Amino acid sequence: QSVLTQPPSVSGAPGQRVTISCTGSSSNIVATYDVHWYQQLPGTAPKLLIYGNTNRPSGVPDRFSGSKSGTSASLAITGLQAEDEADYYCQSYDSSLSAVVFGGGTKLTVL
Amino acid sequence: EVRLLESGGGLVQPGGSLRLSCAASGFTFSGYAMSWVRQAPGKGLEWVSTISSTGGYTYYADSVKGRFTFSRDNSKNTLYLQMNSLRAEDTAVYYCAKNLGAGTASLDFWGQGTLVTVSS
Repeated sequence: QSVLTQPPSVSGAPGQRVTISCTGSSSNIVATYDVHWYQQLPGTAPKLLIYGNTNRPSGVPDRFSGSKSGTSASLAITGLQAEDEADYYCQSYDSSLSAVVFGGGTKLTVL
Repeated sequence: EVRLLESGGGLVQPGGSLRLSCAASGFTFSGYAMSWVRQAPGKGLEWVSTISSTGGYTYYADSVKGRFTFSRDNSKNTLYLQMNSLRAEDTAVYYCAKNLGAGTASLDFWGQGTLVTVSS
């Protein structure tokens, strides 16, 4: 059971917009700890997609955006493309556990 | 170009030991904290450990505390993860990763991973 809760799966058609939520608690997301997002394509290592809630590393398309409010954070992907089909993970820090924590992951299917 | 190359994975019996290495290049290694993250087959990501840039501070997940030791040699640009008293539930691909910066858990570069299988 992950401390950060993500939906197991989401789907969308090419060109559409999808969002992936990451719900936490007072000891992680609400406690002002930053949320980061990773994309893991099949058979590859994870790749940093969003850091510090809203920031994109160099090279990440602006179709990907992050936000955080209250007890949750969200990753939005606009203009969905077939190559976006992957697993997505949120990450933060939990002060009660004194540990870095990941969400359980969300599998994005492009229909 | 940042490169992280893990090695040392393999098959080990329960209760056994294994040492993973991660060779880093393409950045000022001694200036960054580094981390290990693992992924059990078909499962999600699990943070294992983080080490400060100097190696003076280490942090561990409860699941590995007391069994794993994370160290680094800044003269060799290399990380080490000594894993003792291995259990079946330690079976996973182990990734080394570079922390983006001080005070952040975000990991901006990852290795390709090395598979550790704990089985009799």
